Amino acid sequence: DVKVTQSSRYLVKRTGEKVFLECVQDMDHENMFWYRQDPGLGLRLIYFSYDVKMKEKGDIPEGYSVSREKKERFSLILESASTNQTSMYLCASRHRRDRTLNTEAFFGQGTRLTVV
Amino acid sequence: QKEVEQNSGPLSVPEGAIASLNCTYSDRGSQSFFWYRQYSGKSPELIMSIYSNGDKEDGRFTAQLNKASQYVSLLIRDSQPSDSATYLCAVNIGSHSSASKIIFGSGTRLSIRP
Repeated sequence: DVKVTQSSRYLVKRTGEKVFLECVQDMDHENMFWYRQDPGLGLRLIYFSYDVKMKEKGDIPEGYSVSREKKERFSLILESASTNQTSMYLCASRHRRDRTLNTEAFFGQGTRLTVV
Repeated sequence: QKEVEQNSGPLSVPEGAIASLNCTYSDRGSQSFFWYRQYSGKSPELIMSIYSNGDKEDGRFTAQLNKASQYVSLLIRDSQPSDSATYLCAVNIGSHSSASKIIFGSGTRLSIRP
């Protein structure tokens, strides 16, 4: 079974704090993704990584950065947390099979972040 | 134009009927399409993937793909109360790039009424 593990299920942080969300997968997947999910907006892509040390911006990267120093771990960093970053954060990973037929993504359990 | 669009619902269907969920996408080069189900408070889980035009059946679920119309749908036959969830359409964007990504629609909330 694929396992994608996020470091925290619930997190409460103060405005202005630097926040780290960690995600680890155990299936040697090349691709990893960070999404946030808000009511009525679905999953929006923040950043993704297609290999170690490689990263690409998604649709809403402002206020976030990422780090992928090892293949199994993908970290999302909120440089200075703000209340509008209160959300559910979902990490996902997948194997990149070939250039035309991309496989599905597997999700972690999610981190509900509240910024006060 | 959004990259992946779905009707947000809610879609209410009587138990035992067919539920039909629809999705359109903007990237003509997309080759990989996915349907996820998400229960309240849980993470999305894959129901089906589809890569070729036509229908793909798995139990009570049928995914349909029409690349010419940039349209993908999910049919759920003999709907059960346990099918009540949010259904997310996902499309792989930038298929021929090493940096291809998965983009989700906003989801359709499905409710099966007894």
